[in-house]
Amino acid sequence: QKEVEQNSGPLSVPEGAIASLNCTYSDRVSQSFFWYRQYSGKSPELIMSIYSNGDKEDGRFTAQLNKASQYVSLLIRDSQPSDSATYLCAVLSYNTDKLIFGTGTRLQVFP
Amino acid sequence: GAVVSQHPSRVICKSGTSVKIECRSLDFQATTMFWYRQFPKQSLMLMATSNEGSKATYEQGVEKDKFLINHASLTLSTLTVTSAHPEDSSFYICSARQFWGNQPQHFGDGTRLSIL
Repeated sequence: QKEVEQNSGPLSVPEGAIASLNCTYSDRVSQSFFWYRQYSGKSPELIMSIYSNGDKEDGRFTAQLNKASQYVSLLIRDSQPSDSATYLCAVLSYNTDKLIFGTGTRLQVFP
Repeated sequence: GAVVSQHPSRVICKSGTSVKIECRSLDFQATTMFWYRQFPKQSLMLMATSNEGSKATYEQGVEKDKFLINHASLTLSTLTVTSAHPEDSSFYICSARQFWGNQPQHFGDGTRLSIL
């Protein structure tokens, strides 16, 4: 089992729809979770960090964390073509203090 | 806030050349900086972790004599790829983190290295 798992996609959604990106992790004691967006040929850009169970909203983005299920998700409301990118889920390893990245989900928002 | 500057953005050079990449945190003090490498269509691979004033910690399989890391101040880390060869061609990305572990890492724009 991979430490951080994401569906590679592509996830295709129409403009204006809600995009739902999911991530599961294996380390039960992890406490810190991050979502990054990476456009093709560019470096990752931090979108959200979440540390507590529940929802955290920032503009069109909502991160959801459920530690009991070892599940973290990212919702993008009113999706725009400019949101088309690869979204990386990252979990901070409690033991090693390193970020463990998923392989990313490619999101395509079509007009 | 939390801006990380990486320079140069692109390097093309001959085999055997040494290449130095700089990573600066512009508006915060980075107690820890990280160096990653990313091959096309693959995820980020951590190469090493550096803390200001101490030796870098390298991941398994990364040659410390080939990838020299210096973290001389709280705002600057450098990666030198010594005697680069075509197989070292990749996208190198640094990140910086403020204070303690659960703070997010902020990434530089990356350096695309092409060795001919």
